[in-house]
Amino acid sequence: LAKTTQPISMDSYEGQEVNITCSHNNIATNDYITWYQQFPSQGPRFIIQGYKTKVTNEVASLFIPADRKSSTLSLPRVSLSDTAVYYCLVDPMDSSYKLIFGSGTRLLVRP
Amino acid sequence: ETGVTQSPTHLIKTRGQQVTLRCSSQSGHNTVSWYQQALGQGPQFIFQYYREEENGRGNFPPRFSGLQFPNYSSELNVNALELDDSALYLCASSPRTSGGNEQFFGPGTRLTVL
Repeated sequence: LAKTTQPISMDSYEGQEVNITCSHNNIATNDYITWYQQFPSQGPRFIIQGYKTKVTNEVASLFIPADRKSSTLSLPRVSLSDTAVYYCLVDPMDSSYKLIFGSGTRLLVRP
Repeated sequence: ETGVTQSPTHLIKTRGQQVTLRCSSQSGHNTVSWYQQALGQGPQFIFQYYREEENGRGNFPPRFSGLQFPNYSSELNVNALELDDSALYLCASSPRTSGGNEQFFGPGTRLTVL
């Protein structure tokens, strides 16, 4: 049973805000939500992580409702270089252990 | 600070052969994980090494094995290659701390099995 569900693909235009929602109905109390970004022929790159409410960094914002059964990655004013696959992960807070990736969301940013 | 590096970049092998992939972890990181990523799929965890010992393994057969060296670099060995082993093999390193799920990935080695 998949731990997370996210759209297969999304399209956007430069300058728009993009919101990618991930469902994780069976999230456990000690699970954190982490998002990774992957460009073609490169390894994934950590974007942001959160447990509840809202987290913001220089790249993105992560919104987590009180029930934590979903989360939304928000990318402000995307550019062509944001075209990538975005993965939502739900795992215990332990950077030393395995990451479980789903199939991700392929975001295409058009001019 | 040097990031995670992997070698070779690309590799072509034939079915039944053996292959060794190499990874140098990021400076200060003592934990190395290996992932296999088939085309169009997310990375799948193979195994992890910490202090030269295997520290967790995914659903991969024993012909996938690894090593970690005192300098924390690592090797992934695959014996008796099969066509389905064709994939991008990713190495990720992380510090052995209790916080955060951030692993630092290398660019990967693209393995093609003919």
